[in-house]
Amino acid sequence: GESVGLHLPTLSVQEGDNSIINCAYSNSASDYFIWYKQESGKGPQFIIDIRSNMDKRQGQRVTVLLNKTVKHLSLQIAATQPGDSAVYFCAENKVQGAQKLVFGQGTRLTINP
Amino acid sequence: ETGVTQTPRHLVMGMTNKKSLKCEQHLGHNAMYWYKQSAKKPLELMFVYSLEERVENNSVPSRFSPECPNSSHLFLHLHTLQPEDSALYLCASSHDAGGITRQYFGPGTRLTVT
Repeated sequence: GESVGLHLPTLSVQEGDNSIINCAYSNSASDYFIWYKQESGKGPQFIIDIRSNMDKRQGQRVTVLLNKTVKHLSLQIAATQPGDSAVYFCAENKVQGAQKLVFGQGTRLTINP
Repeated sequence: ETGVTQTPRHLVMGMTNKKSLKCEQHLGHNAMYWYKQSAKKPLELMFVYSLEERVENNSVPSRFSPECPNSSHLFLHLHTLQPEDSALYLCASSHDAGGITRQYFGPGTRLTVT
């Protein structure tokens, strides 16, 4: 399911290191943001979400940071594992009161042994 | 498993064929979505259904015709497609379509139009 024709940004990290994947969003009025992970041959899998009234949210081994001043979203993955290899998408909900996600192009994360 | 299933997983069809994609969600959700993921564009929203009513048609050509007979099932009927319609078609569901809620995706149907 990866967008192989797109020139995806790529990030290569050593196994065990921390990964930071960045995303710029477009609408300052977006009220909700989600990170998805998509492995080859699969649909996007929910990782973590954050509302616009928050700056940071932590999950299991993942943290999402939201900087509304510069309209920037990041996903931090701690102690990266081989199973983390995938394409990661951020999505913003641009229409308040409605569920209308707009997805970024994605970043391909590769884990080096 | 996300609770959203799609069939078939792969489909090859000629431009004159008529086929249908099926999606089923087992999550008790009230909203369902069709997305297109192609090699040249990010994930694109096609249609949104809320409580079996279409609430969004994102300028999709009429050769794609959605159907939502109940809140658990969603179909995408295809006819007279073009080669550029080849893509991964993803179905998703969420608790509702009117608020902040995460969407759960199926595995997709890989469509090739010859």
